[in-house]
Amino acid sequence: EAAVTQSPRNKVTVTGGNVTLSCRQTNSHNYMYWYRQDTGHGLRLIHYSYGAGNLQIGDVPDGYKATRTTQEDFFLLLELASPSQTSLYFCASSDAFRGEVFFGKGTRLTVV
Amino acid sequence: GEQVEQRPPHLSVREGDSAVITCTYTDPNSYYFFWYKQEPGASLQLLMKVFSSTEINEGQGFTVLLNKKDKRLSLNLTAAHPGDSAAYFCAVGPYAQGLTFGLGTRVSVFP
Repeated sequence: EAAVTQSPRNKVTVTGGNVTLSCRQTNSHNYMYWYRQDTGHGLRLIHYSYGAGNLQIGDVPDGYKATRTTQEDFFLLLELASPSQTSLYFCASSDAFRGEVFFGKGTRLTVV
Repeated sequence: GEQVEQRPPHLSVREGDSAVITCTYTDPNSYYFFWYKQEPGASLQLLMKVFSSTEINEGQGFTVLLNKKDKRLSLNLTAAHPGDSAAYFCAVGPYAQGLTFGLGTRVSVFP
């Protein structure tokens, strides 16, 4: 069973604060993703990566940075958090060919 | 890029009855098709993958139909039970990376 681990699971920060969400996958997958999930918007892709050092822009990248430090580790950075970034964030990974996306358990971020 | 419309957004089903969720997509080159299930407060779990050469897949308590001519993917819950109460998402794309997800269907099964 594919494993994607996110930390922290819950985070509260203040407007203007600095937040880093972490993700590790142990599936040897090439691709890793950061999504946000909001009522009425479904899942929206923020950034993704196909390997260490690579970063691709997703559909809603504004206000987010990301970095893939190793095959296993993908980080999402919010350098000036805003209330509009209050959301449920999912990290995911997939194989380049099989296509199945495996999700972590999510991080609930609240910006007050 | 790919656009996916999922209907209905909400579905209330009597236990034992069937229900259908449909996704229509726009990119005729889409090759990857998936259904995910998300129980309340939980992550998304892969329910079924549908390959382009497969028209019907059957799993435990559901049937998936892919109609490439009409660009339509459907999930049929054949005999709903309380454990089916969840949100369901289709995911479609021409490439393995960057799938486009539908907005989801929240299913409630009542006795």
